[in-house]
Amino acid sequence: DQQVKQNSPSLSVQEGRISILNCDYTNSMFDYFLWYKKYPAEGPTFLISISSIKDKNEDGRFTVFLNKSAKHLSLHIVPSQPGDSAVYFCAAITGGGNKLTFGTGTQLKVEL
Amino acid sequence: DGGITQSPKYLFRKEGQNVTLSCEQNLNHDAMYWYRQDPGQGLRLIYYSQIVNDFQKGDIAEGYSVSREKKESFPLTVTSAQKNPTAFYLCASSGDGGPRETQYFGPGTRLLVL
Repeated sequence: DQQVKQNSPSLSVQEGRISILNCDYTNSMFDYFLWYKKYPAEGPTFLISISSIKDKNEDGRFTVFLNKSAKHLSLHIVPSQPGDSAVYFCAAITGGGNKLTFGTGTQLKVEL
Repeated sequence: DGGITQSPKYLFRKEGQNVTLSCEQNLNHDAMYWYRQDPGQGLRLIYYSQIVNDFQKGDIAEGYSVSREKKESFPLTVTSAQKNPTAFYLCASSGDGGPRETQYFGPGTRLLVL
């Protein structure tokens, strides 16, 4: 039972344009969401998070949007850079929960 | 500088053999985690520990064992009972024992079965 889904396994974007990575979840008890970025043969690194009391959180070129009614979140990267090419995982946790549930990841490729 | 180290980078296991993956952190973090990543899948939690001498099963603990005798160390043993051990194993740690704290990941160990 995949509670956190990233339906696009890959995404290709031109440098300077916007990258939009999507994530859907089924568990309405999730109240905190995170995005991690992973390069090949390395561990993931934390990128940005959002609490369910907000609908937007911004950090430099990265913005996460949360639509609770649709159980959907998205990560926007503007402008996209070649160094952003990586696998992006979304993750979620329930209130009072003690573990993260990860999505399957989206491979982003930013082309010159 | 602080961080998480995992060793070895690659590990080969023979049939029926137990192997142990090392994870060490010098971030003074209370919580540590082990995840498994398979191609096309997200990270799945194997075991986690919020304090020394205590640990809990994650979603896929069968065939694995852990210990947490020191704050800095959280080794994972892949036992012969784990029938499909080939995967990329990631160790992580976080500050106050809560998973809402940012988890810092090590570089991973790739386990292959001979």
